[in-house]
Amino acid sequence: AQSVTQLGSHVSVSEGALVLLRCNYSSSVPPYLFWYVQYPNQGLQLLLKYTTGATLVKGINGFEAEFKKSETSFHLTKPSAHMSDAAEYFCAVTQGRGVGNTPLVFGKGTRLSVIA
Amino acid sequence: ETGVTQTPRHLVMGMTNKKSLKCEQHLGHNAMYWYKQSAKKPLELMFVYSLEERVENNSVPSRFSPECPNSSHLFLHLHTLQPEDSALYLCASSQEAGTGVEQYFGPGTRLTVT
Repeated sequence: AQSVTQLGSHVSVSEGALVLLRCNYSSSVPPYLFWYVQYPNQGLQLLLKYTTGATLVKGINGFEAEFKKSETSFHLTKPSAHMSDAAEYFCAVTQGRGVGNTPLVFGKGTRLSVIA
Repeated sequence: ETGVTQTPRHLVMGMTNKKSLKCEQHLGHNAMYWYKQSAKKPLELMFVYSLEERVENNSVPSRFSPECPNSSHLFLHLHTLQPEDSALYLCASSQEAGTGVEQYFGPGTRLTVT
């Protein structure tokens, strides 16, 4: 079975500061990893995903994440926070292609607040 | 309309009512999903349809009944719900129902059961 742990249900940063949202996963097979963002009263939007290849992946809105197999982590970062980044962020994992049909498993989410 | 749309956006219903949630995707995808999002809990996958056939049902109570008449439309029929069923219900679609495939989400229906 796969699982995702997001450390910190709420993270608060100052505008212009580094954003770091933590995600650790558990998977017995090579994973595919995703970060989604949810703005108030909206559905989830894909920020970025890791499938294979380069372990540092870049997404929309200046976000990036690095897959670290040894640490079973996929932390999300952004060098400089904007007020518009305030939202709920979800990390998700699924099994890699070719090993069955398994759905996304989501973490509980981290609410990011940006302080002016 | 583009992407994934859901109606209604908000719904208040009594425990004896029958209502339906509607989802429509305009992306030409072959797979559709229903998720339940409750406060302080991870997203819960409820149902998965691939080419109008149900391929996943995660032990959802029978008071939730999905229907997928074609690959663009997905319904969730509700009857005799409980207050704990109050949540945001999200619909999603993807090109196929395989692993590692990006899902596109609708804005959700906020359901309140009184």
